[in-house]
Amino acid sequence: EADIYQTPRYLVIGTGKKITLECSQTMGHDKMYWYQQDPGMELHLIHYSYGVNSTEKGDLSSESTVSRIRTEHFPLTLESARPSHTSQYLCASSDGGTNEKLFFGSGTQLSVL
Amino acid sequence: QKEVEQDPGPLSVPEGAIVSLNCTYSNSAFQYFMWYRQYSRKGPELLMYTYSSGNKEDGRFTAQVDKSSKYISLFIRDSQPSDSATYLCAMSGKAAGNKLTFGGGTRVLVKP
Repeated sequence: EADIYQTPRYLVIGTGKKITLECSQTMGHDKMYWYQQDPGMELHLIHYSYGVNSTEKGDLSSESTVSRIRTEHFPLTLESARPSHTSQYLCASSDGGTNEKLFFGSGTQLSVL
Repeated sequence: QKEVEQDPGPLSVPEGAIVSLNCTYSNSAFQYFMWYRQYSRKGPELLMYTYSSGNKEDGRFTAQVDKSSKYISLFIRDSQPSDSATYLCAMSGKAAGNKLTFGGGTRVLVKP
């Protein structure tokens, strides 16, 4: 079944650690996105990619980085986690075009102590 | 001022009632309008998709778009406790860079 997967679902980590949040989709979508969402708040776009070897920063400034070496894989990395990075991170993909129907993963809830 | 405004709620209704949600927006370039449903600790899932003005019905859900007023609505008939979630409106358009702009979401609670 075509889907979009995020791992881990929950991550509790200490300050200063390097972490990578994984996102994979089996829908063959070219476009992939990372959003950050705090409880009860709106989604903020932090990174997006329109294809392999293409990555762009989103509307919200983020200290994270992303890579897109394979179409189906779009990992997000924090080199040195801080408590201010505590949030929910949502990965999404779309099949392109102008209608931008996004399909979301279940998210990674990150807590940095 | 935000491009898309949405009342955060919470909106509490008894089971069986009609739930009425809405968003206003300021960018006239938006052409595609969506409603997402997000359960707690989950990612949003696409519920309704509408292009330009008009109505669209899918089961208990009806989406309306009034581009002249820059106003979109979602109605849920015969609401169920399983409809309790946060509902986010989202919109995009070619002239708006094709990127999706989300409202802040309205939290809905349907009480049995």
